Amino acid sequence: GAVVSQHPSWVICKSGTSVKIECRSLDFQATTMFWYRQFPKQSLMLMATSNEGSKATYEQGVEKDKFLINHASLTLSTLTVTSAHPEDSSFYICSAGTSYEQYFGPGTRLTVT
Amino acid sequence: QKEVEQNSGPLSVPEGAIASLNCTYSDRGSQSFFWYRQYSGKSPELIMSIYSNGDKEDGRFTAQLNKASQYVSLLIRDSQPSDSATYLCAVSPLSGGYNKLIFGAGTRLAVHP
Repeated sequence: GAVVSQHPSWVICKSGTSVKIECRSLDFQATTMFWYRQFPKQSLMLMATSNEGSKATYEQGVEKDKFLINHASLTLSTLTVTSAHPEDSSFYICSAGTSYEQYFGPGTRLTVT
Repeated sequence: QKEVEQNSGPLSVPEGAIASLNCTYSDRGSQSFFWYRQYSGKSPELIMSIYSNGDKEDGRFTAQLNKASQYVSLLIRDSQPSDSATYLCAVSPLSGGYNKLIFGAGTRLAVHP
């Protein structure tokens, strides 16, 4: 299957700072990537759809000014959590689609202190 | 509201048995169906995709799709303790991996020795 990477795998930051998470498709070009958030023992929650060269489409209830998404190339999408607060602590996972299927990155665990 | 329903479990099966995981979906126009496995603390991993009615086999895994009944299932033969995980059913209204997936909440499978 296709390979998707994320960096960093975990990050600890102080409240009020911003954190950038990178998602890369390593062996295929991804015109569309997706960003999810998952709290412990809960389901995946889709945050936004990231399209190369255009603005991201955010799901209802997701603050687009807080979660900035940039998809500048066919292999890279970034999610920036701005002015992070402890309630933003979560497992952030990206996925990227091929012609047939969607593959997930390994996830980034964010802890805001 | 398009929905994907799964029994949350846990589904407990003895080692070597067949585990049967079920999923129903509400959007009759759905085109693509996926099963992902998620270990605790990890991101989802694609196991199977299925697009046509009938069975699709891959090793110990068989996916079954019945569009008339809006039902998709995953059979795991010769279950192993390493199969213990949460299994997520995902559905897309369109074919291909570029489209937003609608996930079920997942079924937790426990395979005991």
